[in-house]
Amino acid sequence: DTEVTQTPKHLVMGMTNKKSLKCEQHMGHRAMYWYKQKAKKPPELMFVYSYEKLSINESVPSRFSPECPNSSLLNLHLHALQPEDSALYLCASKKQLGGERQPQHFGDGTRLSIL
Amino acid sequence: DQQVKQNSPSLSVQEGRISILNCDYTNSMFDYFLWYKKYPAEGPTFLISISSIKDKNEDGRFTVFLNKSAKHLSLHIVPSQPGDSAVYFCAASAQNSGGYQKVTFGIGTKLQVIP
Repeated sequence: DTEVTQTPKHLVMGMTNKKSLKCEQHMGHRAMYWYKQKAKKPPELMFVYSYEKLSINESVPSRFSPECPNSSLLNLHLHALQPEDSALYLCASKKQLGGERQPQHFGDGTRLSIL
Repeated sequence: DQQVKQNSPSLSVQEGRISILNCDYTNSMFDYFLWYKKYPAEGPTFLISISSIKDKNEDGRFTVFLNKSAKHLSLHIVPSQPGDSAVYFCAASAQNSGGYQKVTFGIGTKLQVIP
């Protein structure tokens, strides 16, 4: 069982739709991440939140809009996506952004398909 | 530019034998290395890590070896079990100027343990 929960597990949407991906953790972690993973590729970092503030945006297009409403929740709002945005979207969390070396803990991901 | 390389896309091993997964890196600033295991339809699960000040870390059947001069690390699984069949990601992190540890993942090696 993963301690980082992502919903939905699968999402199919059209290019004009607006949808959101949700991520939740109750480990008291203060750093939360969004990654995108295409088939046979490593996860690619998109955004990092630290203490509910956006710390890193890896030049992600504005059709992806992250939100961290509280220390346990991380959302990724999607609008006007392109077919090439179809991928597995992974959420991860870690105790803190910097400081001591610690692993990130991943959710099971949302498989997103854009029609 | 792939800074973390896993040159073997797949590996087959008999149950009970040793599995050795290899990883090479190019960035000498990496100071923390991790292995993640990923089953289909699940997110990556943290397995074991090693700091650059060590050359070996052991956790049960899993041992990670680090050779800094060769910029090489390996994961040994002894004895291998069918449940170990998964994709294994090597990852490395370095602290950037903002105090943030950015993690770079390899492309993964698919391990199949044959009963």
